[in-house]
Amino acid sequence: AQSVTQLGSHVSVSEGALVLLRCNYSSSVPPYLFWYVQYPNQGLQLLLKYTTGATLVKGINGFEAEFKKSETSFHLTKPSAHMSDAAEYFCAVTQDTGRRALTFGSGTRLQVQP
Amino acid sequence: EAQVTQNPRYLITVTGKKLTVTCSQNMNHEYMSWYRQDPGLGLRQIYYSMNVEVTDKGDVPEGYKVSRKEKRNFPLILESPSPNQTSLYFCASRIPGQGSGELFFGEGSRLTVL
Repeated sequence: AQSVTQLGSHVSVSEGALVLLRCNYSSSVPPYLFWYVQYPNQGLQLLLKYTTGATLVKGINGFEAEFKKSETSFHLTKPSAHMSDAAEYFCAVTQDTGRRALTFGSGTRLQVQP
Repeated sequence: EAQVTQNPRYLITVTGKKLTVTCSQNMNHEYMSWYRQDPGLGLRQIYYSMNVEVTDKGDVPEGYKVSRKEKRNFPLILESPSPNQTSLYFCASRIPGQGSGELFFGEGSRLTVL
């Protein structure tokens, strides 16, 4: 079985501040890990993903995440928040090559204050 | 443009009145899936399809039906909607056997059952 826990349903940062969104997963086999972003009234779009290889993954819009197997974590970071980063962010995991696809966390809503 | 299209985007209906939410993708993807999104619960998979005429239950299939008669279409059917099916629904598609592959999402269908 696989599961995802996102700590903090709401995170508020100031513009220009560091963004840190936390994600922990459980998986009985090496996982594939994803971060998706959802802007208001839109579907989800992929920010970045970890499959194998380098544990620090860079994504779109300046986001990156680091896979830490020992901590079963895949936290999302961005050095400097922008107003346009305000959205809901979902961490997701799969250990499966095709059937049930992704198991999502409950989401973290990021608010960026001017 | 590669996309997943859902209709309707918004729907208010009454308990027991059958409805269908359509989903169509133009990427020739074999894998398609339906999710529902509820506050605090993230996205939960309802049904998925690995290919034409091949469908299977996800985590929350009760009260839903699907069909996959053509590769591009994957409609979600609510035979007798109930208020607990009020939710935001997303259709998604992906190349199968690509667990590391990106899920492409539609823009969502917000359903209210009175």
